[in-house]
Amino acid sequence: DTEVTQTPKHLVMGMTNKKSLKCEQHMGHRAMYWYKQKAKKPPELMFVYSYEKLSINESVPSRFSPECPNSSLLNLHLHALQPEDSALYLCASSQLPLGLDEETQYFGPGTRLLVL
Amino acid sequence: AQKVTQAQTEISVVEKEDVTLDCVYETRDTTYYLFWYKQPPSGELVFLIRRNSFDEQNEISGRYSWNFQKSTSSFNFTITASQVVDSAVYFCALSPQGTGTYKYIFGTGTRLKVLA
Repeated sequence: DTEVTQTPKHLVMGMTNKKSLKCEQHMGHRAMYWYKQKAKKPPELMFVYSYEKLSINESVPSRFSPECPNSSLLNLHLHALQPEDSALYLCASSQLPLGLDEETQYFGPGTRLLVL
Repeated sequence: AQKVTQAQTEISVVEKEDVTLDCVYETRDTTYYLFWYKQPPSGELVFLIRRNSFDEQNEISGRYSWNFQKSTSSFNFTITASQVVDSAVYFCALSPQGTGTYKYIFGTGTRLKVLA
């Protein structure tokens, strides 16, 4: 089973709201990712967690706050977002690279976020 | 520099036609992975294939086939007898191989429209 689930599917929020995106996988993967995708663009990496620790932050503004409570869950906390943050937010997971072996990332269906 | 180029922004074909999506990559690494993902309108990126740089064998999976040529740095994707359900954006991605490397370099995507 190569399933990554994300909730909610759609989210509308005001610039003063606080909301969270959730991602879950039960494939035993130890690397999890957040991507942001604007319309007609490829996904852009935001954060990578490996073994529940943040390993990559692609200079993402602090209004995005990731959290990895355990090996199956990944959250993205949102606060004081701007309209330009409206996008599709994708979660992915993979086995950690073992030695020289890069593993495939499996993506969830995404959360479509609209910031008003 | 590492880069993936998908020169075809949008392709339209009539159902049952064959179509080839081009992917050209640049990397100085000797070991790397190449991927194809499909993104239907629902948003989820669906993994299609992974190929490592040492394996130049072409691959066929049903109506899908892939042609990897290191000499031309290309990893092209052909859909035979296209169907309306093949309509989606297709991304080619490059991942350098090695420990601690999690990043995919995505191409800009090719939007395929299959008309009934």
